[in-house]
Amino acid sequence: AQSVTQLDSQVPVFEEAPVELRCNYSSSVSVYLFWYVQYPNQGLQLLLKYLSGSTLVKGINGFEAEFNKSQTSFHLRKPSVHISDTAEYFCAVSLPRSAGSNYKLTFGKGTLLTVNP
Amino acid sequence: AAGVIQSPRHLIKEKRETATLKCYPIPRHDTVYWYQQGPGQDPQFLISFYEKMQSDKGSIPDRFSAQQFSDYHSELNMSSLELGDSALYFCASSPRQGHSYNEQFFGPGTRLTVL
Repeated sequence: AQSVTQLDSQVPVFEEAPVELRCNYSSSVSVYLFWYVQYPNQGLQLLLKYLSGSTLVKGINGFEAEFNKSQTSFHLRKPSVHISDTAEYFCAVSLPRSAGSNYKLTFGKGTLLTVNP
Repeated sequence: AAGVIQSPRHLIKEKRETATLKCYPIPRHDTVYWYQQGPGQDPQFLISFYEKMQSDKGSIPDRFSAQQFSDYHSELNMSSLELGDSALYFCASSPRQGHSYNEQFFGPGTRLTVL
């Protein structure tokens, strides 16, 4: 079975500073990787996804992530954060159809990003 | 663009009561997923449907059941509610084909509180 570890439960940063939210996964087969953002009292919004191909993935709101197969990581980065980026961020994996998957998502525990003025 | 609709948005029930949560997927999405997110927790997969058939099952209690109807909407039925069922319940939909076939679009969730 696959699993996801988000190494930081909380990340406080100042506005306009860069940020990296770390995610490691474990799986015996290739996986699809996702980052979702959840604003308070709202649903989950997809930031970006990695399926195959280029290991650097660009998403919405200026976020990007890099897939590193050897380190089984998919860290999320943003060069300059805004107050409005304050939210919970979830890393998730699913298996491809070739692994008999129905694409259900397995989530990490989440990282609370707090951007301070 | 149309999004996933969930109703009700908030629900308060007493212990041992029943609850029904509804999910209306994005048009032309044929797959529906249900997730449960406890307070301060990550979402946990409960169950999914493809073309009105159950396609996968996760950590869903036996007290819960779900189905997908001919118009692709889905309902999650919860009986003998317990305090521990208090959570945010998300529905997500996905198309089986097209460039978004492996991407799940989440609804705003139903917040269930069991007293």
